[in-house]
Amino acid sequence: DGGITQSPKYLFRKEGQNVTLSCEQNLNHDAMYWYRQDPGQGLRLIYYSQIVNDFQKGDIAEGYSVSREKKESFPLTVTSAQKNPTAFYLCASSDSPRDRPEAFFGQGTRLTVV
Amino acid sequence: QKEVEQNSGPLSVPEGAIASLNCTYSDRGSQSFFWYRQYSGKSPELIMSIYSNGDKEDGRFTAQLNKASQYVSLLIRDSQPSDSATYLCAVRFSGGGNKLTFGTGTQLKVEL
Repeated sequence: DGGITQSPKYLFRKEGQNVTLSCEQNLNHDAMYWYRQDPGQGLRLIYYSQIVNDFQKGDIAEGYSVSREKKESFPLTVTSAQKNPTAFYLCASSDSPRDRPEAFFGQGTRLTVV
Repeated sequence: QKEVEQNSGPLSVPEGAIASLNCTYSDRGSQSFFWYRQYSGKSPELIMSIYSNGDKEDGRFTAQLNKASQYVSLLIRDSQPSDSATYLCAVRFSGGGNKLTFGTGTQLKVEL
């Protein structure tokens, strides 16, 4: 089955620790995205990538880093510089923006600082 | 800052009624518009996309787009309790590359 896989589903981080969230897709999509969702809020864009080895900052990139070494993978690292990382993190992907601009989401990773 | 605005609700409708969800956006040149449904604790699921002015129907769902007035709406006919969720409006703004901007969502409650 084609889809987007995020792991882990739940993640706990200690203060001052870096953690990496995994996102893998087998849809052969060019574009991938990371969003953050806080309780009762909409989705805010952290980073996005339109092609391999290229990515752009979204609206709330501070304290986060990404890489896009393979088309199917777009991991997100939450660094210690992110002061309030507890949130629901969603990865999405989409095909060519002209032909099929719809974005599809993985199941999300819920990150909690302990 | 390009924005997408939605009424947070909750919007309560009786079972079998029509639910009407609205969304406005700030960029007149936007071309692509999407409605996602998100159940509590789950990820958003795409339910409708619309690119041209007018109506687009898919089963019980109808998306309506009015670019001149910069709004997009979602109608859900014969609302069911299983439709109770948060509905997110998303817009791909012109000149924004391939990224989507989301509204904060409208919570819909369908009551028995």
